[in-house]
Amino acid sequence: EAGVVQSPRYKIIEKKQPVAFWCNPISGHNTLYWYLQNLGQGPELLIRYENEEAVDDSQLPKDRFSAERLKGVDSTLKIQPAELGDSAVYLCASSSYKGNTGELFFGEGSRLTVL
Amino acid sequence: EDQVTQSPEALRLQEGESSSLNCSYTVSGLRGLFWYRQDPGKGPEFLFTLYSAGEEKEKERLKATLTKKESFLHITAPKPEDSATYLCAVADSWGKFQFGAGTQVVVTP
Repeated sequence: EAGVVQSPRYKIIEKKQPVAFWCNPISGHNTLYWYLQNLGQGPELLIRYENEEAVDDSQLPKDRFSAERLKGVDSTLKIQPAELGDSAVYLCASSSYKGNTGELFFGEGSRLTVL
Repeated sequence: EDQVTQSPEALRLQEGESSSLNCSYTVSGLRGLFWYRQDPGKGPEFLFTLYSAGEEKEKERLKATLTKKESFLHITAPKPEDSATYLCAVADSWGKFQFGAGTQVVVTP
């Protein structure tokens, strides 16, 4: 069974440029998460989807970040414009349990460097 | 607000030298406590879920235990391939996950 697939793995951009990350979850997993992970820290939730509905986006900086999960399968996270402080690893995870009580399966992450 | 604190931040072990990692938590209605392993440049990999105080789970050289305030991850006779960052996370009654900062474990031959 294929795992969670993320792309690109690495991205280097100048500040104020836009960037987008893509995630394809494990087949059949209705819950999808985007996390941000800074060096030496644990993942921090940005947004959680149940199917195509964003059920928790309270930590998403909506002035510059946006996300979508059309058709309830793959998802895109966008940053526009990027700032120096956005340099981090963006992790996508999926789960087959509703209500966030099951284990999460993570992708390998997209490492963003903003210059 | 849910909080998860892991200690120590880093741990250096000789091969075969057993030790324990701690995860202290405060959460409004624990729905599950999770342990993950993360290798450099990779996403976290699921290890265990614990649901209630007194529960224990084992996998190879790893054993996770849970009390009402903390969880321990015991590493018995570690090998160099056990080197990784170990993350603890809790899910609360609202279904929100909170991760700790992790413990970086290095096992030397």
